[in-house]
Amino acid sequence: DQQVKQNSPSLSVQEGRISILNCDYTNSMFDYFLWYKKYPAEGPTFLISISSIKDKNEDGRFTVFLNKSAKHLSLHIVPSQPGDSAVYFCAASYSGAGSYQLTFGKGTKLSVIP
Amino acid sequence: NAGVTQTPKFRVLKTGQSMTLLCAQDMNHEYMYWYRQDPGMGLRLIHYSVGAGITDQGEVPNGYNVSRLKKQNFLLGLESAAPSQTSVYFCASSYLGPYEQYFGPGTRLTVT
Repeated sequence: DQQVKQNSPSLSVQEGRISILNCDYTNSMFDYFLWYKKYPAEGPTFLISISSIKDKNEDGRFTVFLNKSAKHLSLHIVPSQPGDSAVYFCAASYSGAGSYQLTFGKGTKLSVIP
Repeated sequence: NAGVTQTPKFRVLKTGQSMTLLCAQDMNHEYMYWYRQDPGMGLRLIHYSVGAGITDQGEVPNGYNVSRLKKQNFLLGLESAAPSQTSVYFCASSYLGPYEQYFGPGTRLTVT
C-alpha cells in the first residue's frame, strides 16, 4: 500500500510560469516532509523540507505548503526555469523514537519549456 | 569533501554471478541506506544501517545482503544475481535518521 503518492507522473510548464507539484500521504504518523530533485544519471538532491508544525516553508523560488487535514503537500516553483526540468520526489517520515526511514513517492517529471 | 561516493558506476552481470557495491561517506553520518530505483517505482529501500555493525531490512531486502564494518562504508552484496535485480542502486547517508539524506551518484546494474 503506497503511503506517499504523487499522482501526476509528469508535468509541463512554460518558462517563467508557476510549477505546482502535488503529493498526498496516508500515514497520519508522518510529521516531516521533504522534496528531492533528480537529474538523469545523478543521485537525488535535497531541495526543501517542512515539519508538521508549520504549513509553509520558503527557500528562494521554492515553497512547500502542507495541509495536514487533507494529508496533502505541494511544491511551488516560481518562476520556473529550464534548469528546473527534473524528476521531483516527495518523501515523508515519522520523527519519533526508532524511526530511521524516509518513504518516497514515485516521482513527478517536470519539464519546463523555454 | 566528496560526500557520498559509490563504486562501481556501471556493471553488467550474468545471472547467478555475485558482486558487491561499495558506498563510502566522509560526513561522519551514523545512518546509511541502500535504495533501488526502477522505472515508475520511485526509490525503494533495500537495507539500512543505524551505525557500524547494525543493519536492518527495508522494503525490498530479498536477494541482497549488507555489511557495515566501518562507520564510513556500507556494502551491498548480491550473492546470485537475477534479471529482476537490474536497476539503478543509490546509497544515501544522514546525520539523523528520518531527516535529510544525502545521496550518491548511483550504480547502474544490468543482469543478463
